[in-house]
Amino acid sequence: AQSVTQLDSQVPVFEEAPVELRCNYSSSVSVYLFWYVQYPNQGLQLLLKYLSGSTLVKGINGFEAEFNKSQTSFHLRKPSVHISDTAEYFCAVSDQSRTDKLIFGTGTRLQVFP
Amino acid sequence: DSGVTQTPKHLITATGQRVTLRCSPRSGDLSVYWYQQSLDQGLQFLIHYYNGEERAKGNILERFSAQQFPDLHSELNLSSLELGDSALYFCASSLSPVPGYQETQYFGPGTRLLVL
Repeated sequence: AQSVTQLDSQVPVFEEAPVELRCNYSSSVSVYLFWYVQYPNQGLQLLLKYLSGSTLVKGINGFEAEFNKSQTSFHLRKPSVHISDTAEYFCAVSDQSRTDKLIFGTGTRLQVFP
Repeated sequence: DSGVTQTPKHLITATGQRVTLRCSPRSGDLSVYWYQQSLDQGLQFLIHYYNGEERAKGNILERFSAQQFPDLHSELNLSSLELGDSALYFCASSLSPVPGYQETQYFGPGTRLLVL
């Protein structure tokens, strides 16, 4: 079975500052990794996903994440955040052989201040 | 807008009652997934249907059931409701669950259920 740990429940940051949202996973099998964003009163939107290949994955809205197999991590980064990035961010994992079951972390609330 | 629609947006009901949540997937998507998002449990996978057939079950209670109809819309039925069932219920859809390949799941806006 897989599990996902998002180490920070809240991350406050000033506008134009860099940010990193941390995600660690646990699995006995090969996995796919995802970051989703949830804006207030909306559904989840895929930011980026790692399936294979380059460990640095670029997503929408200037976000990127790096897969580190040895540290079982998939941290999300953005070099300069905007007020509009304020949202809840979810890291998720799926077994490569059962791609229909997404296991989500508990989420990190990113609050961007002016 | 993901293209996935869910109705109703909000639902308030009493303990012991039964409700039905509806989901229409994106045009062309054959798979529908249901998730529950609550404060204490976080975001949990409930069940997956593909082209009318159940494919996978997650942490879905026996009081809950789902089905996918020939037109591919899906309904999640919640019965004998308890206070703890209050949550946001999301539906997602994808083209098809090809083993070994990850199809992006597109999420609807959710149905917020409040059980009083």
